[in-house]
Amino acid sequence: SAVISQKPSRDICQRGTSLTIQCQVDSQVTMMFWYRQQPGQSLTLIATANQGSEATYESGFVIDKFPISRPNLTFSTLTVSNMSPEDSSIYLCSVVRVDEQFFGPGTRLTVL
Amino acid sequence: DAKTTQPPSMDCAEGRAANLPCNHSTISGNEYVYWYRQIHSQGPQYIIHGLKNNETNEMASLIITEDRKSSTLILPHATLRDTAVYYCIVRVGVSWGKLQFGAGTQVVVTP
Repeated sequence: SAVISQKPSRDICQRGTSLTIQCQVDSQVTMMFWYRQQPGQSLTLIATANQGSEATYESGFVIDKFPISRPNLTFSTLTVSNMSPEDSSIYLCSVVRVDEQFFGPGTRLTVL
Repeated sequence: DAKTTQPPSMDCAEGRAANLPCNHSTISGNEYVYWYRQIHSQGPQYIIHGLKNNETNEMASLIITEDRKSSTLILPHATLRDTAVYYCIVRVGVSWGKLQFGAGTQVVVTP
Protein backbone atom coordinates (compact mmCIF):
# COMPACT_ATOMS: atom_id res chain seq x y z
CA SER A 1 0.00 0.00 0.00
CA ALA A 2 0.95 3.67 -0.18
CA VAL A 3 1.09 5.95 2.84
CA ILE A 4 -0.28 9.35 1.90
CA SER A 5 -0.45 12.33 4.22
CA GLN A 6 -2.16 15.64 3.62
CA LYS A 7 -1.76 18.99 5.35
CA PRO A 8 -3.80 20.61 6.67
CA SER A 9 -6.39 18.01 7.58
CA ARG A 10 -9.00 20.74 7.79
CA ASP A 11 -9.26 24.50 7.64
CA ILE A 12 -11.79 27.30 7.81
CA CYS A 13 -11.02 30.20 5.49
CA GLN A 14 -12.48 33.54 4.56
CA ARG A 15 -13.79 34.19 1.06
CA GLY A 16 -11.31 35.80 -1.28
CA THR A 17 -8.30 34.14 0.33
CA SER A 18 -6.24 31.19 -0.93
CA LEU A 19 -5.25 27.91 0.68
CA THR A 20 -2.44 25.56 -0.31
CA ILE A 21 -2.88 21.87 0.45
CA GLN A 22 0.14 19.59 0.63
CA CYS A 23 0.31 15.91 -0.28
CA GLN A 24 3.25 13.77 0.78
CA VAL A 25 3.75 10.13 -0.25
CA ASP A 26 6.01 7.68 1.56
CA SER A 27 7.88 6.71 -1.61
CA GLN A 28 8.14 7.72 -5.24
CA VAL A 29 5.09 7.35 -7.44
CA THR A 30 4.62 8.06 -11.11
CA MET A 31 1.07 9.33 -11.08
CA MET A 32 -0.58 11.73 -8.65
CA PHE A 33 -4.06 13.18 -8.85
CA TRP A 34 -6.22 15.70 -7.04
CA TYR A 35 -9.92 15.11 -6.42
CA ARG A 36 -12.72 17.18 -4.93
CA GLN A 37 -15.67 15.86 -2.97
CA GLN A 38 -18.39 18.42 -2.41
CA PRO A 39 -20.78 17.93 0.54
CA GLY A 40 -22.93 14.87 0.06
CA GLN A 41 -21.46 14.18 -3.35
CA SER A 42 -19.11 11.69 -4.91
CA LEU A 43 -15.51 12.36 -5.95
CA THR A 44 -14.62 14.44 -8.98
CA LEU A 45 -11.18 14.47 -10.59
CA ILE A 46 -9.66 17.96 -10.69
CA ALA A 47 -6.34 17.30 -12.37
CA THR A 48 -3.35 15.07 -12.87
CA ALA A 49 -0.22 16.44 -11.21
CA ASN A 50 2.70 15.97 -13.60
CA GLN A 51 6.25 16.00 -12.31
CA GLY A 52 8.30 18.62 -14.06
CA SER A 53 5.49 19.99 -16.20
CA GLU A 54 2.12 21.69 -15.97
CA ALA A 55 -0.77 19.78 -14.50
CA THR A 56 -3.46 18.33 -16.76
CA TYR A 57 -6.88 19.69 -15.81
CA GLU A 58 -10.29 18.10 -16.26
CA SER A 59 -13.16 19.89 -17.86
CA GLY A 60 -14.51 22.58 -15.56
CA PHE A 61 -11.26 23.12 -13.68
CA VAL A 62 -8.65 25.75 -14.59
CA ILE A 63 -5.11 26.47 -13.53
CA ASP A 64 -5.85 30.00 -12.33
CA LYS A 65 -8.32 28.66 -9.78
CA PHE A 66 -6.49 25.46 -8.82
CA PRO A 67 -2.75 25.86 -9.43
CA ILE A 68 -0.85 22.63 -8.82
CA SER A 69 2.81 22.00 -8.24
CA ARG A 70 4.72 18.74 -8.29
CA PRO A 71 8.40 19.37 -7.69
CA ASN A 72 9.33 15.70 -7.24
CA LEU A 73 7.90 12.18 -7.26
CA THR A 74 6.74 12.19 -3.64
CA PHE A 75 5.18 15.62 -3.16
CA SER A 76 2.49 17.82 -4.65
CA THR A 77 0.49 20.90 -3.69
CA LEU A 78 -2.95 22.09 -4.70
CA THR A 79 -3.91 25.72 -4.15
CA VAL A 80 -7.53 26.79 -4.01
CA SER A 81 -7.44 30.44 -5.08
CA ASN A 82 -9.80 33.33 -4.42
CA MET A 83 -12.07 31.07 -2.45
CA SER A 84 -15.84 31.32 -2.25
CA PRO A 85 -18.29 29.29 -0.13
CA GLU A 86 -18.86 27.04 -3.17
CA ASP A 87 -15.29 25.80 -2.76
CA SER A 88 -16.18 24.19 0.56
CA SER A 89 -15.31 20.56 -0.05
CA ILE A 90 -12.98 17.75 0.83
CA TYR A 91 -9.87 17.77 -1.35
CA LEU A 92 -8.11 14.46 -1.80
CA CYS A 93 -4.72 13.50 -3.14
CA SER A 94 -4.42 10.15 -4.91
CA VAL A 95 -1.51 8.11 -6.23
CA VAL A 96 -0.97 4.99 -8.27
CA ARG A 97 1.44 2.34 -7.10
CA VAL A 98 1.92 -1.02 -8.82
CA ASP A 99 -1.60 -2.01 -9.80
CA GLU A 100 -3.67 -0.01 -7.36
CA GLN A 101 -4.83 3.56 -6.82
CA PHE A 102 -4.67 4.91 -3.28
CA PHE A 103 -6.24 7.97 -1.71
CA GLY A 104 -5.08 10.29 1.01
CA PRO A 105 -7.20 11.13 4.07
CA GLY A 106 -8.41 14.38 2.52
CA THR A 107 -8.43 18.04 3.53
CA ARG A 108 -11.77 19.36 4.69
CA LEU A 109 -12.12 22.99 3.63
CA THR A 110 -14.85 25.32 4.81
CA VAL A 111 -15.11 28.77 3.25
CA LEU A 112 -17.09 31.40 5.10
CA ASP B 1 -15.58 4.42 -19.12
CA ALA B 2 -18.83 2.46 -18.68
CA LYS B 3 -21.52 3.72 -16.37
CA THR B 4 -22.50 1.69 -13.33
CA THR B 5 -25.77 1.37 -11.42
CA GLN B 6 -25.92 0.55 -7.73
CA PRO B 7 -28.73 0.59 -5.17
CA PRO B 8 -28.53 3.77 -3.09
CA SER B 9 -28.55 1.98 0.24
CA MET B 10 -28.75 -1.36 1.97
CA ASP B 11 -28.70 -2.66 5.51
CA CYS B 12 -26.86 -5.71 6.74
CA ALA B 13 -26.79 -7.55 10.04
CA GLU B 14 -23.47 -7.87 11.78
CA GLY B 15 -21.86 -11.27 11.17
CA ARG B 16 -23.90 -11.96 8.06
CA ALA B 17 -22.69 -11.79 4.48
CA ALA B 18 -23.31 -8.54 2.62
CA ASN B 19 -23.95 -8.89 -1.10
CA LEU B 20 -23.60 -5.63 -2.99
CA PRO B 21 -24.85 -5.65 -6.60
CA CYS B 22 -23.62 -3.52 -9.46
CA ASN B 23 -24.89 -3.30 -13.03
CA HIS B 24 -22.50 -2.31 -15.82
CA SER B 25 -24.35 -3.43 -18.93
CA THR B 26 -22.26 -1.29 -21.32
CA ILE B 27 -18.91 -2.54 -20.12
CA SER B 28 -16.27 -3.05 -22.81
CA GLY B 29 -13.97 -6.01 -23.16
CA ASN B 30 -10.94 -4.12 -21.87
CA GLU B 31 -12.63 -2.54 -18.85
CA TYR B 32 -12.02 -3.77 -15.34
CA VAL B 33 -14.50 -3.75 -12.47
CA TYR B 34 -13.16 -1.99 -9.37
CA TRP B 35 -14.66 -1.66 -5.91
CA TYR B 36 -13.76 1.02 -3.40
CA ARG B 37 -15.34 2.04 -0.15
CA GLN B 38 -15.34 5.30 1.76
CA ILE B 39 -15.81 5.28 5.47
CA HIS B 40 -17.12 8.56 6.82
CA SER B 41 -14.52 11.35 6.85
CA GLN B 42 -11.83 9.19 5.23
CA GLY B 43 -10.44 8.83 1.72
CA PRO B 44 -11.67 5.98 -0.49
CA GLN B 45 -10.12 2.60 0.21
CA TYR B 46 -9.39 0.06 -2.50
CA ILE B 47 -11.16 -3.26 -1.97
CA ILE B 48 -10.79 -5.49 -5.01
CA HIS B 49 -10.88 -5.54 -8.80
CA GLY B 50 -11.36 -8.04 -11.61
CA LEU B 51 -11.70 -8.42 -15.35
CA LYS B 52 -13.79 -11.54 -15.93
CA ASN B 53 -12.79 -14.14 -13.37
CA ASN B 54 -14.07 -14.17 -9.82
CA GLU B 55 -11.59 -12.72 -7.35
CA THR B 56 -11.08 -13.07 -3.61
CA ASN B 57 -8.80 -11.33 -1.16
CA GLU B 58 -8.67 -10.81 2.58
CA MET B 59 -11.39 -8.17 2.46
CA ALA B 60 -13.97 -9.45 0.02
CA SER B 61 -14.96 -11.57 -2.96
CA LEU B 62 -15.93 -10.28 -6.38
CA ILE B 63 -18.30 -12.28 -8.53
CA ILE B 64 -18.59 -11.18 -12.17
CA THR B 65 -21.29 -12.67 -14.36
CA GLU B 66 -20.27 -14.55 -17.47
CA ASP B 67 -21.54 -11.79 -19.77
CA ARG B 68 -19.77 -9.22 -17.52
CA LYS B 69 -22.83 -7.01 -17.44
CA SER B 70 -23.08 -7.16 -13.66
CA SER B 71 -21.08 -8.05 -10.59
CA THR B 72 -21.51 -8.61 -6.87
CA LEU B 73 -19.18 -7.64 -4.07
CA ILE B 74 -19.43 -10.01 -1.13
CA LEU B 75 -18.33 -9.08 2.37
CA PRO B 76 -18.39 -12.53 3.96
CA HIS B 77 -18.87 -11.54 7.60
CA ALA B 78 -19.92 -7.93 7.91
CA THR B 79 -18.77 -5.97 10.95
CA LEU B 80 -19.83 -2.56 12.22
CA ARG B 81 -16.59 -1.17 10.75
CA ASP B 82 -17.80 -2.12 7.28
CA THR B 83 -20.39 0.65 7.42
CA ALA B 84 -19.41 2.86 4.48
CA VAL B 85 -20.30 3.99 0.99
CA TYR B 86 -19.27 1.34 -1.54
CA TYR B 87 -18.41 2.38 -5.07
CA CYS B 88 -18.44 0.12 -8.11
CA ILE B 89 -16.33 1.55 -10.94
CA VAL B 90 -15.44 0.24 -14.37
CA ARG B 91 -12.49 1.60 -16.27
CA VAL B 92 -9.98 0.76 -18.91
CA GLY B 93 -6.93 -0.84 -17.35
CA VAL B 94 -4.48 1.90 -18.19
CA SER B 95 -6.67 4.93 -17.47
CA TRP B 96 -5.34 5.53 -13.98
CA GLY B 97 -6.84 8.52 -12.23
CA LYS B 98 -9.92 8.46 -14.38
CA LEU B 99 -11.96 6.68 -11.75
CA GLN B 100 -15.50 7.93 -12.35
CA PHE B 101 -17.11 7.69 -8.95
CA GLY B 102 -20.89 7.36 -9.01
CA ALA B 103 -23.20 7.77 -6.06
CA GLY B 104 -22.33 4.36 -4.61
CA THR B 105 -24.26 2.25 -2.11
CA GLN B 106 -24.51 3.36 1.50
CA VAL B 107 -24.14 0.18 3.53
CA VAL B 108 -25.14 0.25 7.17
CA VAL B 109 -24.18 -2.74 9.30
CA THR B 110 -26.35 -3.09 12.37
CA PRO B 111 -25.75 -5.12 15.53
